[in-house]
Amino acid sequence: EPEVTQTPSHQVTQMGQEVILRCVPISNHLYFYWYRQILGQKVEFLVSFYNNEISEKSEIFDDQFSVERPDGSNFTLKIRSTKLEDSAMYFCASKSTSGGFGNEQFFGPGTRLTVL
Amino acid sequence: QKEVEQDPGPLSVPEGAIVSLNCTYSNSAFQYFMWYRQYSRKGPELLMYTYSSGNKEDGRFTAQVDKSSKYISLFIRDSQPSDSATYLCAMSSSGGSYIPTFGRGTSLIVHP
Repeated sequence: EPEVTQTPSHQVTQMGQEVILRCVPISNHLYFYWYRQILGQKVEFLVSFYNNEISEKSEIFDDQFSVERPDGSNFTLKIRSTKLEDSAMYFCASKSTSGGFGNEQFFGPGTRLTVL
Repeated sequence: QKEVEQDPGPLSVPEGAIVSLNCTYSNSAFQYFMWYRQYSRKGPELLMYTYSSGNKEDGRFTAQVDKSSKYISLFIRDSQPSDSATYLCAMSSSGGSYIPTFGRGTSLIVHP
């Protein structure tokens, strides 16, 4: 069964460093998303991406964040200068088409980011 | 006022019990109501979704939406240890991108 994969499973970094979180969405999917979940808190939407551009973003997704689909298979989230409060689980999700709600977003297993 | 409220639990029940999980919300624009299941170290997995008010049944799972009370429920009949997970409610408005707004999740433990 096709699934969304994410690497690494756990990333530890120093405050101020840049990190890139990687995702491989399901191959025929066209819509891509990043969410984050701070420990003990809600899953929060960060950004959605379609047709090689951002289609929607939340207030969390500020200038420190960027997304890219560099090679037609990977979908990356870059945090330019990490802060302690960026420590969270980051989930990638993908969806096949837009056509109404019935199209499910499939989530990856997440990358746990720890900023020291 | 928080948009989606959900008791984090944990909720511990014996195998075979009927489980009731609930969320309240404040945004009247929400039209789609979802329940996700999240096992430890995994991403959320969509269990069920409903549109507007009413009930929806899928095997041992029943989702209910009461828009007048802004209250949604998920019932699990004949609960099994394999149902032990965190259950997240989520909601979105109609039209546009259907980006879900999640609750905190309720941790469910079904013990044999």
